[in-house]
Amino acid sequence: SQQGEEDPQALSIQEGENATMNCSYKTSINNLQWYRQNSGRGLVHLILIRSNEREKHSGRLRVTLDTSKKSSSLLITASRAADTASYFCATDKRGGGGNKLTFGTGTQLKVEL
Amino acid sequence: DVKVTQSSRYLVKRTGEKVFLECVQDMDHENMFWYRQDPGLGLRLIYFSYDVKMKEKGDIPEGYSVSREKKERFSLILESASTNQTSMYLCASSLWNVGSGNTIYFGEGSWLTVV
Repeated sequence: SQQGEEDPQALSIQEGENATMNCSYKTSINNLQWYRQNSGRGLVHLILIRSNEREKHSGRLRVTLDTSKKSSSLLITASRAADTASYFCATDKRGGGGNKLTFGTGTQLKVEL
Repeated sequence: DVKVTQSSRYLVKRTGEKVFLECVQDMDHENMFWYRQDPGLGLRLIYFSYDVKMKEKGDIPEGYSVSREKKERFSLILESASTNQTSMYLCASSLWNVGSGNTIYFGEGSWLTVV
């Protein structure tokens, strides 16, 4: 089964609005990462948050992590049409299998002009 | 700049054919991975390698094998392609163990259609 599950599956917003995507996972983790994928392309790393961190910022990105709820959220502020892509969370299992990153099913974000 | 190169972007193969997907990274990374991506299923790990000639099964290794004879090259082999292996295949690499907070760098993907 998937370690990470993103919610919503699809999101459509207007340029300038904020976009929030959520990720839930099942087992204890060392780190959680968010990746972006433009249509038909490979994935690109966006941001990593460690299990002992609660919030992290990078430019217009804000990631939160709640290990008690086993969930994370990715906020993109002031969205642009160029942010249109699929966004995936990825987790590694704490205590073993450390070479494996397990990806969720992704959120498809569409930012309209 | 980091680069993971997948040699074939689009392939069409017949059922029963042996298929090779090649991947090369130029970053001297220790770890390399093969994922497949299907709509609604996200990315699923097929195999990974943490050193030359070393490999470990991922979550869906059945029907696949891999080869890593040189550090920079990781090949995915479909011994006898079947239609349910039609998918997008993504190669990736990381410097060290992802559990230590290392990120993964992906190639552009190989779209395989088995007819």
